[in-house]
Amino acid sequence: GQQLNQSPQSMFIQEGEDVSMNCTSSSIFNTWLWYKQEPGEGPVLLIALYKAGELTSNGRLTAQFGITRKDSFLNISASIPSDVGIYFCAGPLRVNAGNMLTFGGGTRLMVKP
Amino acid sequence: NAGVMQNPRHLVRRRGQEARLRCSPMKGHSHVYWYRQLPEEGLKFMVYLQKENIIDESGMPKERFSAEFPKEGPSILRIQQVVRGDSAAYFCASSQDRNQPQHFGDGTRLSIL
Repeated sequence: GQQLNQSPQSMFIQEGEDVSMNCTSSSIFNTWLWYKQEPGEGPVLLIALYKAGELTSNGRLTAQFGITRKDSFLNISASIPSDVGIYFCAGPLRVNAGNMLTFGGGTRLMVKP
Repeated sequence: NAGVMQNPRHLVRRRGQEARLRCSPMKGHSHVYWYRQLPEEGLKFMVYLQKENIIDESGMPKERFSAEFPKEGPSILRIQQVVRGDSAAYFCASSQDRNQPQHFGDGTRLSIL
């Protein structure tokens, strides 16, 4: 199956700062998904990207589907304490896998008030 | 994560016992996915089921693990003769069809003594 690499692994930032994290793959993806997971809970879908070059926003979150189709970026503007959590990128496990997903290792975000 | 119900939320078993994890999908969803998450890692796909059918079990360990999604009742992930390495969080997700976004439950944390 396809594998995803996320960086950075963790970030400790001050409230109000902007955050940027990325996800790369050695193979092409036709869908990129960004999830957030909080302690004791399951992942929650933040943004879904389906087209190379696509830029999609959800409130203070913006994600982009890389032109090469091998990477994606997630930006969070003006971070607040409730942004704390682990952010995962995900994509289809293989071509035509539908909802069978492979996940990156996550970026753990900590926000200092 | 309202909608996909997993129980129990926490399960403790001794080595050699059986573990049964249950997942009730969101109303109207007939596609169920199981994932495993080890500490500090992303989710790993295990199995994809539709009512009464296993569609893809490529992520399931070859031995001791089985899954079912009967016509009536929840989906069950069964682990026989558990070992310490089975300790993990197990997440279930459901979707309306194979291409609609899946929604995750809050997981079952399995601990093996």
